[in-house]
Amino acid sequence: EIVLTQSPGTLSLSPGERATLSCRASQSVSSSYLAWYQQKPGQAPRLLIYDASSRATGIPDRFSGSGSGTDFTLTISRLEPEDFAVYYCQHYGSATGTWTFGQGTKVEIK
Amino acid sequence: QVTLRESGPALVKPTQTLTLTCTFSGFSLSTSGMCVSWVRQPPGKALEWLALIDWEDDKFYSTSLKTRLAISKDTSKNQVVLIMTNMDPVDTATYYCARRNYFDSTGYAFDIWGQGTMVTVSS
Repeated sequence: EIVLTQSPGTLSLSPGERATLSCRASQSVSSSYLAWYQQKPGQAPRLLIYDASSRATGIPDRFSGSGSGTDFTLTISRLEPEDFAVYYCQHYGSATGTWTFGQGTKVEIK
Repeated sequence: QVTLRESGPALVKPTQTLTLTCTFSGFSLSTSGMCVSWVRQPPGKALEWLALIDWEDDKFYSTSLKTRLAISKDTSKNQVVLIMTNMDPVDTATYYCARRNYFDSTGYAFDIWGQGTMVTVSS
């Protein structure tokens, strides 16, 4: 089963700064199966990015996803106050029909 | 508008069986491509995928929990039920249901989520 490792665990930044979040897979995966979610305290996760780089409906263009193989990145170009949250990457395992999440990266206000 | 809502007991005792219901609107599980999944999140911890059922009644389970899980659907009621047996305090978590639209461009992700229901396992 694929293991997703996210880094860093916590990212302390100021509004307006750029955030770069990493998601590393334990083996090469298809970009089509890689997604990113945002979760704010007390709320359900929200789909941000699918297919590694496609923004979901209504997601601002300051959010972008990239990567391939084992290394994937979520970038927030300029942090807005509402972007401080926890971000999870997710992978779909086509061989098993199962999903895996990373352990999350918290983006906090510095 | 697509919505999902989880319901079930807030408190269960160790060894008991948990039954959760996801009631949804805005789509039908009889429509090709539609699926409903369950995901849980212990307090302060990461998301964990549990199970998924699709429009053809195919069922998929977490490898680590498959012996304790059963997922089913009632298409006429727009509901999906998750049963988890032999509950333990480590199963204390918020349980979410979420939609997957297999034939949409988002097909390998969960595009709409319920607000979640908190379940505590304690004697």
